[in-house]
Amino acid sequence: DAGITQSPRYKITETGRQVTLMCHQTWSHSYMFWYRQDLGHGLRLIYYSAAADITDKGEVPDGYVVSRSKTENFPLTLESATRSQTSVYFCASRDRDGYGYTFGSGTRLTVV
Amino acid sequence: AQRVTQPEKLLSVFKGAPVELKCNYSYSGSPELFWYVQYSRQRLQLLLRHISRESIKGFTADLNKGETSFHLKKPFAQEEDSAMYYCALRGITDKLIFGTGTRLQVFP
Repeated sequence: DAGITQSPRYKITETGRQVTLMCHQTWSHSYMFWYRQDLGHGLRLIYYSAAADITDKGEVPDGYVVSRSKTENFPLTLESATRSQTSVYFCASRDRDGYGYTFGSGTRLTVV
Repeated sequence: AQRVTQPEKLLSVFKGAPVELKCNYSYSGSPELFWYVQYSRQRLQLLLRHISRESIKGFTADLNKGETSFHLKKPFAQEEDSAMYYCALRGITDKLIFGTGTRLQVFP
């Protein structure tokens, strides 16, 4: 099912540039999450949102900014990209009464 | 604090052998435990959750509160089981906390 989509799939950017990763879900799920996946670290939570206009920090929020003006969108912005932010980023959503988290296909970001 | 530990980074077995992927957790309350699977370069998919006590693709997992463990087991591994497996915990805050993952390689 393509209910949650991430764009772009791949991105190469330079150190210091601002980059925005997009996440869109079609179910009107209340909760949305951003994770980064790194070898040896698994998936670490960056930010999450319980509803529109409600966001909160996860384990590794430094260097990232999120917003959620609409329920279906949850963009993640790297204000000034660093090489340490080279990673695969996954967006996920969950309905308020649901148990499962549905993940997007991921964005592979390389910062050079 | 919520924490999930997967002690093995890599588990290699031959087809038909039993598999056990270990997961231990730290949480003061009653958590929900999950297993997610990620096949090569694909999105994560929910495999199991402890509440449902079901078997998916031959995998089972039992929550042992005394040992704070949620190990994933399969009696006979198949080559198509090769993937990355993540154990995850959800506590009262609704955040899903993952372990570092175990890569399962099943050789023919």
